[in-house]
Amino acid sequence: AQSVAQPEDQVNVAEGNPLTVKCTYSVSGNPYLFWYVQYPNRGLQFLLKYITGDNLVKGSYGFEAEFNKSQTSFHLKKPSALVSDSALYFCAVRDINNFNKFYFGSGTKLNVKP
Amino acid sequence: DGGITQSPKYLFRKEGQNVTLSCEQNLNHDAMYWYRQDPGQGLRLIYYSQIVNDFQKGDIAEGYSVSREKKESFPLTVTSAQKNPTAFYLCASQPGQSLNTEAFFGQGTRLTVV
Repeated sequence: AQSVAQPEDQVNVAEGNPLTVKCTYSVSGNPYLFWYVQYPNRGLQFLLKYITGDNLVKGSYGFEAEFNKSQTSFHLKKPSALVSDSALYFCAVRDINNFNKFYFGSGTKLNVKP
Repeated sequence: DGGITQSPKYLFRKEGQNVTLSCEQNLNHDAMYWYRQDPGQGLRLIYYSQIVNDFQKGDIAEGYSVSREKKESFPLTVTSAQKNPTAFYLCASQPGQSLNTEAFFGQGTRLTVV
């Protein structure tokens, strides 16, 4: 069975500092991993995905994610946080047995303070 | 301007009433989905549809019904059998049948039972 875990409910970081939002996954087979961001009372916006290839994936708004197969992790990162990055972030993995299914983590609220 | 439109943005339902949430997309995507979002629980799949006139139950289909009469439209009915319908509902779509494509989300409908 596929699943993802986001171990932190909330991450606090000062503006200008680097940020990391953690995600670990469990899959049977090759992982298809995604990060989404959600602003209050809005839908999810796609940030980036890992399918295959380079372990460092670059995405929208300056975000990137590092895929680590040995640690089964896919952490979201940004070198310099902005106040406008404050939002809810979701990690997701695709069910390889049913491409229609994503398994979402419980979400991590990122607070960037000025 | 392509995208997914959900309406209404806010919806109030009395106990025992059925209500229908609208989802329309002009992205020419084959697959469409309904998710339910509750605080701290991530997203859970209610129903999905790969093609017109076909749909499948997701993980929490009880108390919900859907139809897919047109490619562009995938309305969700929350019936009186749904015991705890207050939640944020998200519609999504994706093109084709592929593991490496991301889903596109609408802006959501917040349903409240009064």
